[in-house]
Amino acid sequence: AAGVIQSPRHLIKEKRETATLKCYPIPRHDTVYWYQQGPGQDPQFLISFYEKMQSDKGSIPDRFSAQQFSDYHSELNMSSLELGDSALYFCASSSALGLAGRRDTQYFGPGTRLTVL
Amino acid sequence: RKEVEQDPGPFNVPEGATVAFNCTYSNSASQSFFWYRQDCRKEPKLLMSVYSSGNEDGRFTAQLNRASQYISLLIRDSKLSDSATYLCVVNDVDSNYQLIWGAGTKLIIKP
Repeated sequence: AAGVIQSPRHLIKEKRETATLKCYPIPRHDTVYWYQQGPGQDPQFLISFYEKMQSDKGSIPDRFSAQQFSDYHSELNMSSLELGDSALYFCASSSALGLAGRRDTQYFGPGTRLTVL
Repeated sequence: RKEVEQDPGPFNVPEGATVAFNCTYSNSASQSFFWYRQDCRKEPKLLMSVYSSGNEDGRFTAQLNRASQYISLLIRDSKLSDSATYLCVVNDVDSNYQLIWGAGTKLIIKP
């Protein structure tokens, strides 16, 4: 079965540079979530999109922005990178609201490992 | 106080043994619960969803206790490949069903 695709898998940037991470959700999934996971930490929710509109906002820095396109893929744009931005960035996708208004299960992509030097 | 709490471990368990760990959550209105497993430097992978009282899938059993607000995960006949971090996740009804993550329980199965 098709899974969530993320690119690139690894990215090395210098401080103050910009980076763009891409996420292609599972076919027919219309909701995309972005997470940041630092070493030894649980995933921290950044932002999500449903039907190309931002649905929730978590701990996403103002230097970061994201959007979901008409084909449901999403991009996370990161500017003025800092050393502390080095982390694994996961994208997850799910289908629309499930049973009794609950959001359906989230399935994760393999992640992009960002290293800021 | 974290909304979803887990014992970080590590749990060191001999191969073939049964191991169980709990996860407590603070919001009594939560409706959906998940166990994910995560291997080092890999993405979280869904292990089980729990919507009612429990769920069973082969060697894995998840139980939900709403009165005491905890979810348990039981692994029977543990295998070396079960070594991973197990993340308890709760769907938060108060924040538009965002996932609230526990910090994870590290499990090490020893031969």
